[in-house]
Amino acid sequence: QVQLQESGPGLVKPSETLSLTCAVSGYSISSGYYWGWIRQPPGKGLEWIGSIYHSGSTYYNPSLKSRVTISVDTSKNQFSLKLSSVTAADTAVYYCARSGGDCTGGSCRFDYWGQGTLVTVSS
Amino acid sequence: QSALTQPASVSGSPGQSITISCTGTSSDVGGYNYVSWYQQHPGKAPKLMIYDVSKRPSGVSNRFSGSKSGNTASLTISGLQAEDEADYYCCSYAGSSTYVFGTGTKVTVL
Repeated sequence: QVQLQESGPGLVKPSETLSLTCAVSGYSISSGYYWGWIRQPPGKGLEWIGSIYHSGSTYYNPSLKSRVTISVDTSKNQFSLKLSSVTAADTAVYYCARSGGDCTGGSCRFDYWGQGTLVTVSS
Repeated sequence: QSALTQPASVSGSPGQSITISCTGTSSDVGGYNYVSWYQQHPGKAPKLMIYDVSKRPSGVSNRFSGSKSGNTASLTISGLQAEDEADYYCCSYAGSSTYVFGTGTKVTVL
């Protein structure tokens, strides 16, 4: 059974960089699939942040692209999110997830999710 | 890239059928047969219910079905049950390996 677990600071100061890691168990990232980050501001809807293939190829939401970096560490079986120059608008629950389909071909579908972690941006 | 438009809320009685719409543009919903739907209960992670417009993942009840016409995709829940009360989000491919979610719909079982 594939399991994902997000970790990282729950509080980040404005203008700093948000950093989260998603540890994967039950499946080796190097074996394939696409992996992604999705966020949800409190009381609001979901927003796709970006996806990464096990090879390291990345795909980002155009509205966040200038501030986002997603990377993968196959040796630790985990992938990470960095979001720079954060503001209060970046306060959200951040989810990591696995896509059972080809994210470059259109069929990105997140079939396994982490429980989510709340990140608050505040001084 | 703007969020896809969904009704804020839809309600129905147990046993009834309801349909949730998801309206986009020719650059997302209308341009590709790649729409997925997620169910989210309060405080929980979303769950994949439909992908590629009308395909159901293993384990998802056949009471859930998806379709698309033009720039609007739809999720139909038949035989509505109390456990179906949740938020539902559509998600569409928007080209260039990017994706956009819908605004979300709260389903209430009366």
